[in-house]
Amino acid sequence: GAVVSQHPSRVICKSGTSVKIECRSLDFQATTMFWYRQFPKQSLMLMATSNEGSKATYEQGVEKDKFLINHASLTLSTLTVTSAHPEDSSFYICSARDGDSNNEQFFGPGTRLTVL
Amino acid sequence: AQSVTQLDSHVSVSEGTPVLLRCNYSSSYSPSLFWYVQHPNKGLQLLLKYTSAATLVKGINGFEAEFKKSETSFHLTKPSAHMSDAAEYFCVVSGPTGGFKTIFGAGTRLFVKA
Repeated sequence: GAVVSQHPSRVICKSGTSVKIECRSLDFQATTMFWYRQFPKQSLMLMATSNEGSKATYEQGVEKDKFLINHASLTLSTLTVTSAHPEDSSFYICSARDGDSNNEQFFGPGTRLTVL
Repeated sequence: AQSVTQLDSHVSVSEGTPVLLRCNYSSSYSPSLFWYVQHPNKGLQLLLKYTSAATLVKGINGFEAEFKKSETSFHLTKPSAHMSDAAEYFCVVSGPTGGFKTIFGAGTRLFVKA
């Protein structure tokens, strides 16, 4: 199946700093990418949908100025957590939709963010 | 609107016995349905998917699921559990095309006893 990578896999940062997470589709072009957040022992919550070349669509309750999403190419989307605080600590997962795969999403391995 | 309900937050089985993880969905459209597995601190792996073809879907690692429109269900089964099956399982609903959101169920934690 198609492969999606995320970088970094783990990041620890100080409160107040910004952190960028990259999501790449390695062997297909992803016109749409999604960003999810997963708290411990909970399900995935969709944060935003990102389409290449246009602004991301954020879910209700997700601060767009806090979580900046850029989808500059068909293989790369980035999520920047700005001025991170301890409550932003979470597991962030991206996925990419392959237009040829009959609506299937391919998920990245996730990024564990810890804000001290 | 779409929604998905996983009926059990935890399921515990003995190794070698059958597994049943229950999922009900609601959709205004013909849904696409998926089951994913997540091992601790790992990403999601697709087990199987239903996209309006055969109602009985076979997936990886011996798992299968049956789409029952009359019951709005998509339960996941496996004839014989293995210790390595212990993980979190998510039932996921989406629409028939790429324009629909993907909605995750709350997850079911599967425990396998030796």
